[in-house]
Amino acid sequence: GDSVTQMEGPVTLSEEAFLTINCTYTATGYPSLFWYVQYPGEGLQLLLKATKADDKGSNKGFEATYRKETTSFHLEKGSVQVSDSAVYFCALSDRSTLGRLYFGRGTQLTVWP
Amino acid sequence: NAGVMQNPRHLVRRRGQEARLRCSPMKGHSHVYWYRQLPEEGLKFMVYLQKENIIDESGMPKERFSAEFPKEGPSILRIQQVVRGDSAAYFCASSPARDEQFFGPGTRLTVL
Repeated sequence: GDSVTQMEGPVTLSEEAFLTINCTYTATGYPSLFWYVQYPGEGLQLLLKATKADDKGSNKGFEATYRKETTSFHLEKGSVQVSDSAVYFCALSDRSTLGRLYFGRGTQLTVWP
Repeated sequence: NAGVMQNPRHLVRRRGQEARLRCSPMKGHSHVYWYRQLPEEGLKFMVYLQKENIIDESGMPKERFSAEFPKEGPSILRIQQVVRGDSAAYFCASSPARDEQFFGPGTRLTVL
């Protein structure tokens, strides 16, 4: 079945450091891939997405490239800010499973000034 | 356009009571998904509904849990005879089609 494996946290970085959060997936079809962000006490917000191989999703300085050959969708940001502190979830959606989202366990990111 | 609304935001119940969680989708969205987030875990799919129909309930526990999305009004997730293991955050998401999902702020259920 479909699943997402995400880098375990927590991740602690200094401001302006480079961020990578690894995400790999297993899917029987041709999934769309997503990164969601959850701030404390809030719901999930879509950060970026990619719907086919080699697509790059980007938003707010974050990027992730859909790599079919390595079944990966790693999240990167060149220079993190304190305000980026949150939990990040990698997810996939497959039309064959009626659009439901499969989530990774989440990675807690803390950025120190 | 208001976002997805969920209420209550926090709900405390004693073991054996019933919990009712409400979700009002974004205007124009007829697809609703419910997810549960246990502590230190990612979200797990529970049920997918369209107006007046349950499309996929494969993630719902077989007993005590039910969901509906009536023609008028919000979607309701109902948990009967709650137990401590039901304590979690419950999120709903709405979508105009089987596409991008927009999440509500969640209901945090605590069972005493």
